Amino acid sequence: ETGVTQTPRHLVMGMTNKKSLKCEQHLGHNAMYWYKQSAKKPLELMFVYNFKEQTENNSVPSRFSPECPNSSHLFLHLHTLQPEDSALYLCASSQGLGGIRNEQFFGPGTRLTVL
Amino acid sequence: DAKTTQPTSMDCAEGRAANLPCNHSTISGNEYVYWYRQIHSQGPQYIIHGLKNNETNEMASLIITEDRKSSTLILPHATLRDTAVYYCIVRVLNRDDKIIFGKGTRLHILP
Repeated sequence: ETGVTQTPRHLVMGMTNKKSLKCEQHLGHNAMYWYKQSAKKPLELMFVYNFKEQTENNSVPSRFSPECPNSSHLFLHLHTLQPEDSALYLCASSQGLGGIRNEQFFGPGTRLTVL
Repeated sequence: DAKTTQPTSMDCAEGRAANLPCNHSTISGNEYVYWYRQIHSQGPQYIIHGLKNNETNEMASLIITEDRKSSTLILPHATLRDTAVYYCIVRVLNRDDKIIFGKGTRLHILP
């Protein structure tokens, strides 16, 4: 138990569906992250939020839309996804950005399958 | 691109020390070496980090060579639960604080 929860744990959706992934951290952290992990590929950073402000968008297609209403919650809204978007989506949080002790705490991930 | 090189996979007998090497020959002076691991179907977990000196915590030890071009993560008494992918990461200490994951080393602990 890392203090970062993600729901749902598994999601199957069609290409025309709209769904959202939710992440919540109970650690009092200020920075939150979305990562994508495809089969046999390294973890890819997607978005970074610090104090609810987006500080990083790593060239992510617009069919992925993040939302950070407060420092404890992070959403990833999905629409018109493609089968190649099937992956494990991981949320992480850290106390802040930069600094030497800002290790990130990861949630368990949402396993997404796009049909 | 990841700035580290790690073996693709390693085996270690249960109860023995697991030594995982990492090369980071282009590391710069303000970059720290971090280790994370990812157990199957879970998110990555922070293990340890260091700059120049060797470090030890309740999970592992980190040995960094004097020239800082390589390091070794040591799990002193490996258990089956240590089977995971281990990522060696060089972190740039700037405001962006990106963690760039490579492919890591898949460690199999053998009973």
